[in-house]
Amino acid sequence: DTEVTQTPKHLVMGMTNKKSLKCEQHMGHRAMYWYKQKAKKPPELMFVYSYEKLSINESVPSRFSPECPNSSLLNLHLHALQPEDSALYLCASSQAGQGGPMSSPLHFGNGTRLTVT
Amino acid sequence: AQSVSQHNHHVILSEAASLELGCNYSYGGTVNLFWYVQYPGQHLQLLLKYFSGDPLVKGIKGFEAEFIKSKFSFNLRKPSVQWSDTAEYFCAVNARGPGRRALTFGSGTRLQVQP
Repeated sequence: DTEVTQTPKHLVMGMTNKKSLKCEQHMGHRAMYWYKQKAKKPPELMFVYSYEKLSINESVPSRFSPECPNSSLLNLHLHALQPEDSALYLCASSQAGQGGPMSSPLHFGNGTRLTVT
Repeated sequence: AQSVSQHNHHVILSEAASLELGCNYSYGGTVNLFWYVQYPGQHLQLLLKYFSGDPLVKGIKGFEAEFIKSKFSFNLRKPSVQWSDTAEYFCAVNARGPGRRALTFGSGTRLQVQP
């Protein structure tokens, strides 16, 4: 089992809905990430938080809004999504490290499978 | 910008066969290298990593990888695969040094081991 917990496991939402994805880790990691993975494709980085501050935004549309309320939690707020946003959304965490947040291995959650109708 | 290439998209092997999955990256500077595995229906897990030192790295479940700097390669190997190794394998790299260090994944290799 992974030490990064994501809820919900599955989510179906309409294009006018507002929903949130949640991620929690208790490993003391100070870097947290959101990735998006389409079927048969590699994960694509969306956001990186380091010490609860947004450090990387990979030009993600504003209909995706990340939030890091504390060092253990990471949310992804969704609003006015499009059907092409349907994907597996993965949360990951790592030690922040002197070399930057990406210098340590990532621990991934099981993901939230999102379907936008 | 860095990029990662995995040339084998789908590999089918019989149990006990040897495995080598190719991974090449393009980046002129120093990098960290990773192999992740995603078993069917499960989360991505770290198989092994290379940061520095001995270029031959041993990971979990009998996997190893060799970093060859001159070839910009980090190929994954296992002498004898098992049915339970059926999974998707991703090579990943992130650059060290100043500037952005986003982890970049290769396109993945689907390994199917037949009993």
